[in-house]
Amino acid sequence: GQQVMQIPQYQHVQEGEDFTTYCNSSTTLSNIQWYKQRPGGHPVFLIQLVKSGEVKKQKRLTFQFGEAKKNSSLHITATQTTDVGTYFCAGFPTSGTYKYIFGTGTRLKVLA
Amino acid sequence: SAVISQKPSRDICQRGTSLTIQCQVDSQVTMMFWYRQQPGQSLTLIATANQGSEATYESGFVIDKFPISRPNLTFSTLTVSNMSPEDSSIYLCSVRGRGNTEAFFGQGTRLTVV
Repeated sequence: GQQVMQIPQYQHVQEGEDFTTYCNSSTTLSNIQWYKQRPGGHPVFLIQLVKSGEVKKQKRLTFQFGEAKKNSSLHITATQTTDVGTYFCAGFPTSGTYKYIFGTGTRLKVLA
Repeated sequence: SAVISQKPSRDICQRGTSLTIQCQVDSQVTMMFWYRQQPGQSLTLIATANQGSEATYESGFVIDKFPISRPNLTFSTLTVSNMSPEDSSIYLCSVRGRGNTEAFFGQGTRLTVV
């Protein structure tokens, strides 16, 4: 079946270091979304990417959609303790399904 | 945007019993979903709640175990029936508009079955 994998599964960084998580789909996506889930919280929408090769920025966060629309990345510059949480990508296959497939998630821990 | 009220926020239940989780949205939404999230894991879609008709279940989930109701566009319930310790998890209600728009999630129900 359709799968969306994320790497790494876990990442511990020192505060101030950069962080990147990668999202890879087994099928072509019409678009991809990113969510953040704080410990004990629920997923919160961050951004949606639609176009091939699209790059979007939100302050220290940079999101990229691959040219083939099968992968995506989230890069955080100079991490802060408030960045702690699990980051999920969610892909919409081009097959016309109304359901999005959540990635396996990357748990980020920032050490002060 | 949508604000979702999900309750209960947590419960400890005896095996063999059932728990009904409620999801109330502050606006009419097209799509409502129920997810399960094991600790430290990703979100697994249980079913899509359809207004006025039977829910659409994902592979591995059946109506007898997870009956779902959606009487209108702003309310849905998920029942976890005949619970076992394997049902211990976080259950999340999610909504979004038609098309590939952003999803909003309830606060989740942390269920422990003993």
